[in-house]
Amino acid sequence: SQTIHQWPATLVQPVGSPLSLECTVEGTSNPNLYWYRQAAGRGLQLLFYSVGIGQISSEVPQNLSASRPQDRQFILSSKKLLLSDSGFYLCAWSFMGASYGYTFGSGTRLTVV
Amino acid sequence: GQQLNQSPQSMFIQEGEDVSMNCTSSSIFNTWLWYKQDPGEGPVLLIALYKAGELTSNGRLTAQFGITRKDSFLNISASIPSDVGIYFCAGVAVGGSNYKLTFGKGTLLTVNP
Repeated sequence: SQTIHQWPATLVQPVGSPLSLECTVEGTSNPNLYWYRQAAGRGLQLLFYSVGIGQISSEVPQNLSASRPQDRQFILSSKKLLLSDSGFYLCAWSFMGASYGYTFGSGTRLTVV
Repeated sequence: GQQLNQSPQSMFIQEGEDVSMNCTSSSIFNTWLWYKQDPGEGPVLLIALYKAGELTSNGRLTAQFGITRKDSFLNISASIPSDVGIYFCAGVAVGGSNYKLTFGKGTLLTVNP
C-alpha cells in the first residue's frame, strides 16, 4: 500500500532563517506531488506541484521554492523565512491525475518568530 | 480559473442532528470529491463522485453529484462528536488541468454533545 511521510510535524524558526520541509511517498512510482499551505485552519492554497523528477510548477510567486530530486521525494524550501510564511504545510500525492483525489500527509505546523 | 463556492462557512449543531453542506460553481465539473480534515491533520478523502446525478454513501455520509454538473452536496446523518472538523469539496473542472483539484474554502463543523 502507498504511504506518504511528511516531517517535521512542528517547527519554530526565526525570521530570516532557511527552511527545508521534506515529503516522501512509498509504494508507488511516478506520483504527482503537491505542496499546499493552509492559513488559520481554513482554505488550502496550492503552492507547487510536480508531475515528474525536476518538473516543478509554481502556483503562487512568493518566498518559497520546491524541488523534486527523486521520483518520490518533494522538498519545500526557503532561503529566508518571513513572518507571513507561518502556517500549516501539507504535502499530497496523486496517481494519474487528480480525478482519484489526493492523499495528504499529516502536515507541518510552521511558526516563524 | 475555476472557483468553488462552499457553504455554509461554519455550522454549530447538536449531537444527533443531520447536516447538509454544498458546493457550487459556474464551471462544469467531471469529478467531485469530499474531504474531511480533523484538527491538526491532513484532509482525508470521504467520497468521490464521477457521474451527474450519482448518489454515493459512506456510512452516515451521503454525497451527490448535481445534475447540472455545477454542484455537489454532502449530508451527514445523526451527527456525533467525532464529526467535528473542516469539510472540503473539491473537483476537476471540464477544460481544467487534469493534475490539479479545485478546492472549496471549507465548512467548519462543530458538534455539541
